[in-house]
Amino acid sequence: DAGITQSPRHKVTETGTPVTLRCHQTENHRYMYWYRQDPGHGLRLIHYSYGVKDTDKGEVSDGYSVSRSKTEDFLLTLESATSSQTSVYFCAIRAGTPGNQPQHFGDGTRLSIL
Amino acid sequence: QQQVKQSPQSLIVQKGGIPIINCAYENTAFDYFPWYQQFPGKGPALLIAIRPDVSEKKEGRFTISFNKSAKQFSLHIMDSQPGDSATYFCAASRNYGGATNKLIFGTGTLLAVQP
Repeated sequence: DAGITQSPRHKVTETGTPVTLRCHQTENHRYMYWYRQDPGHGLRLIHYSYGVKDTDKGEVSDGYSVSRSKTEDFLLTLESATSSQTSVYFCAIRAGTPGNQPQHFGDGTRLSIL
Repeated sequence: QQQVKQSPQSLIVQKGGIPIINCAYENTAFDYFPWYQQFPGKGPALLIAIRPDVSEKKEGRFTISFNKSAKQFSLHIMDSQPGDSATYFCAASRNYGGATNKLIFGTGTLLAVQP
């Protein structure tokens, strides 16, 4: 699984509560990504990081924030979870060199917001 | 706005058949087109990828055909096996070799290969 660990693997929580998902990599790759997967939508990019403390928004970033204080960890936070954020969340990593490298995905976190 | 359109949504073939999954894109700036395979409970895994300077790429039983003028690309699975039953996603990105390589995914195709 390309040295990627996502935690927790499953979580059920209530609307309005804060939620933090963690992505941990052992590959020392520069780039990290958070996607959400929903039926009929494929995977959509939420946020990504191109280095420690360097992050940017993806196509569905509203309601989410991220942080990357260490190369190996990329955190996704839902400040006040809503039912529309029920989804499967995937983290991906990508090496910066040599040349263009593919993204490798973790096994996901299934998040249910009641 | 869906920039990569994938079809069909689901597909059933017999063992040994050749399933074909099609994708069409809108943004002519896309320059990298990967296919991912996903099994239940797992993350997507890169299967094969192509750049627009070639019209076809083969890796084992998997072939990508690419038509730049039509802005379409497709995945063919030769001699399909029950173990190929999975969800397949096409994707596209721009700025090949650049810093961010943000992928735009199709909506996925659920393939079932019957024994």
